[in-house]
Amino acid sequence: EVQLVESGGGLVQPGGSLRLSCAASGFTFSGYWMSWVRQAPGKGLEWLANIKQDGGEKNYVDSVRGRFTISRDNARNSLYLQMNSLRGEDTAVYFCARDWQLDVWGQGTTVTVSS
Amino acid sequence: QSVLTQPPSTSGAPGQRVTVSCSGSSSDIGSNTVNWYQQLPGTAPKLLIYSNNQRPSGVPDRFSGSKSATSASLAISGLQSEDEADYYCAAWDDRLNVVFGGGTKLTVL
Repeated sequence: EVQLVESGGGLVQPGGSLRLSCAASGFTFSGYWMSWVRQAPGKGLEWLANIKQDGGEKNYVDSVRGRFTISRDNARNSLYLQMNSLRGEDTAVYFCARDWQLDVWGQGTTVTVSS
Repeated sequence: QSVLTQPPSTSGAPGQRVTVSCSGSSSDIGSNTVNWYQQLPGTAPKLLIYSNNQRPSGVPDRFSGSKSATSASLAISGLQSEDEADYYCAAWDDRLNVVFGGGTKLTVL
């Protein structure tokens, strides 16, 4: 079964850092671009970043560029999102998704930024 | 404020046909294909339509998509209660970012 499972969410203070992980299974992880997408409470979807199969190309939305870093470990079938300088507006459910079509999604992990 | 524009809500009775519109620009929909996602309450989004009008395996043919110039539409025919969900359009823009619509909440009356 093709599956993505996010982890690493939690409560963090403004200005703090958090690292999210996404474990992939059921498909050849190294063969796909991967993305992170978030959804603030009661709001719509916001694409954050993606990374090429070999990690050699990355794209970011302006709102997180310079604060968030996407990375991957193909040997571990894992995708990561390092989030620094967190703000209240970063509070959201964070999803990882596969490929340019975002054809497979994880269940999401919740990040709350609050003092 | 979302880059792509969708109506916030729509509704229809069981068995009816509803459409959801998605308006963009030459930088996104006008130059790339459109995908549609369905998000049932409390769940992750699911790919519903890709490349403007293609259905992934398992998606009923009651769902169809179309695109013209800088706009796209999702049509749902034979509306069923389980179709009640939020629907999002999305497209790549010329900066290689995915841009989403704000989402449309479909209520089945």
